[in-house]
Amino acid sequence: GAVVSQHPSWVICKSGTSVKIECRSLDFQATTMFWYRQFPKQSLMLMATSNEGSKATYEQGVEKDKFLINHASLTLSTLTVTSAHPEDSSFYICSARAQPKREGLYEQYFGPGTRLTVT
Amino acid sequence: AQSVTQLGSHVSVSEGALVLLRCNYSSSVPPYLFWYVQYPNQGLQLLLKYTSAATLVKGINGFEAEFKKSETSFHLTKPSAHMSDAAEYFCAVSDAGGTSYGKLTFGQGTILTVHP
Repeated sequence: GAVVSQHPSWVICKSGTSVKIECRSLDFQATTMFWYRQFPKQSLMLMATSNEGSKATYEQGVEKDKFLINHASLTLSTLTVTSAHPEDSSFYICSARAQPKREGLYEQYFGPGTRLTVT
Repeated sequence: AQSVTQLGSHVSVSEGALVLLRCNYSSSVPPYLFWYVQYPNQGLQLLLKYTSAATLVKGINGFEAEFKKSETSFHLTKPSAHMSDAAEYFCAVSDAGGTSYGKLTFGQGTILTVHP
């Protein structure tokens, strides 16, 4: 089956520092990856859509200069939270969508999530 | 624009009882619909999906859901609850028709508790 990994699984950082989260598709190539944020006891909110080799598309209200997304290859997308503040503490989940001609076409596969705590 | 409403943020059932989690959607185009399960501090696992084929969709772990266009609903059911079903469940709708799954819009989630 299709597997998506995230690293790290959890991270604690100090206010004002930057944190990078990696999302990898392990056994398939993902032309599109999605980044979600989930606050405690809430649903997933889409932050941005990341397409390999092009700029990410951010949802309304998401600061593109604060949440930097890079999708440099078909198996890796990164989310960098710059100058993190306590209100950025959340559970960040990525998903990867397989490119055409694969069984399970266009299925979105979710990573296990990264718990970010900013102190 | 698309939206999903899950009726009931918490559902509690006894082990062996019927599980019914409600989901209503709004979509201006024929929707693709999904149910996901999330265990604490984990990502989402797909239970089942509706992609305009059969209206009754069977998924993993004994779950199924029926797409009812007239009611704009996609309720999730399981005949007999198991303790391991305790988790949070999310209904989602996709914005893309045709052969492409687009961005997912999620409902607020329903926490299922199973009592012995």
